[in-house]
Order: sequence, then C-alpha cells, then structure tokens
Amino acid sequence: DAGVTQSPTHLIKTRGQQVTLRCSPKSGHDTVSWYQQALGQGPQFIFQYYEEEERQRGNFPDRFSGHQFPNYSSELNVNALLLGDSALYLCASSFNGEYQETQYFGPGTRLLVL
Amino acid sequence: LAKTTQPISMDSYEGQEVNITCSHNNIATNDYITWYQQFPSQGPRFIIQGYKTKVTNEVASLFIPADRKSSTLSLPRVSLSDTAVYYCLVGVMFSGGYNKLIFGAGTRLAVHP
Repeated sequence: DAGVTQSPTHLIKTRGQQVTLRCSPKSGHDTVSWYQQALGQGPQFIFQYYEEEERQRGNFPDRFSGHQFPNYSSELNVNALLLGDSALYLCASSFNGEYQETQYFGPGTRLLVL
Repeated sequence: LAKTTQPISMDSYEGQEVNITCSHNNIATNDYITWYQQFPSQGPRFIIQGYKTKVTNEVASLFIPADRKSSTLSLPRVSLSDTAVYYCLVGVMFSGGYNKLIFGAGTRLAVHP
C-alpha cells in the first residue's frame, strides 16, 4: 500500500518564476492538505482540498493556489516566486469521514528560489 | 486550535526512557492530542494520538491526565535513530469537518551513544 507521494523531490527556480508541485494521497484517502516548512521551523498550513474544492486556507497570499483532481491527487502552484518561498513543501492526506482524521505526510518537495 | 508549549530540546542516551511533556492549557472538549516525529528533510510521521488517560502503541505511550491540560509522550529505550524533532498538536478531528494541523517549534531530541 503506497503512502503519500510527492514530486519532484527537489526543485530550483529563480525569482518571479512559477512552480507546480504534485501530490498523490495515500490509498483510500480523499483529502489533501499542503504545508510549508521553512528551515528550523514547524510546518505551516497553506490550504486543504476535499471534493476538488479548497475548504480551508491558512495565512498565505493568493500567489499560492491549488487544485484537486477527481482521483484525489493534488497540485500546489506558486506564482511570482520570492526568495522567501524557499522551503520544504509537504503534502498530507487523510480520509474525510473518520472521527479521528489523522493526516499522513509525504516526503516533501524541497524548493530553492534563487 | 489550542496552543501548545513543549521544551525546545532534550538530550538522552541510548537505552533510556524519554518523556516529552506538552502543555495545552486551553484545550477544548472536542480536541484530540496528536504527536508527530520528523527527521531532517522528511515529512512528519504520525506517532500516536489520544483523548484521555493512556494510549499505547508499538512505538510510544501517551499519558493524558484527567484535566487534559498537558500530555506526555513516552519513548521506551530510545536508540540513536530516535533523534528527531517531536511535535505535539491539539485540534478537533471530526467527521465532515476539517482539521488543519498547527505545528509549534517542536522538541529536538538528541540521543547520544
């Protein structure tokens, strides 16, 4: 049973560019959440997708957008990249319907903005 | 979601039992307590979750007193591979709703030979 997978593992971009990160949830999961983790800090919630819609969002600008596909996989898009967007981007999946909606994380995508 | 406070760092030696205490004074009635472990450049790994009293799995135990204002993660006989950051989170997990995890800075555990 595959866990949460993310691609790519590493990415280097320059300021002003756009980036798309991808996530496939754990088998049986239908909800995907995205987190940004700067070096030395805990992950920060970006947004969550369920039934192909964004149902909750953290304190991130509109440059951060996402999408969820019918197969529950998800993309995170970041436009007009800034140096401060350099971070580990984590995807977590869960199943909506369990009382204890435990989130399981993928390995992350390391983004470096130069 | 309730704010949590935990020690910034801890040191231990192989074979010892490690207890990491987390304070969550404003925990709400519906909040669960969840602990994650994270190694450098990897995603957090779910360790254990509980609501009250004691929960035990193959990896750790979680002790929650009656007032639920704190909780203690217990790692029995740690090894070098347990060196990681441990996060304590509290939040509502309910069907049909949502749960965004709010991470603090975590506790950096260093296990020495």
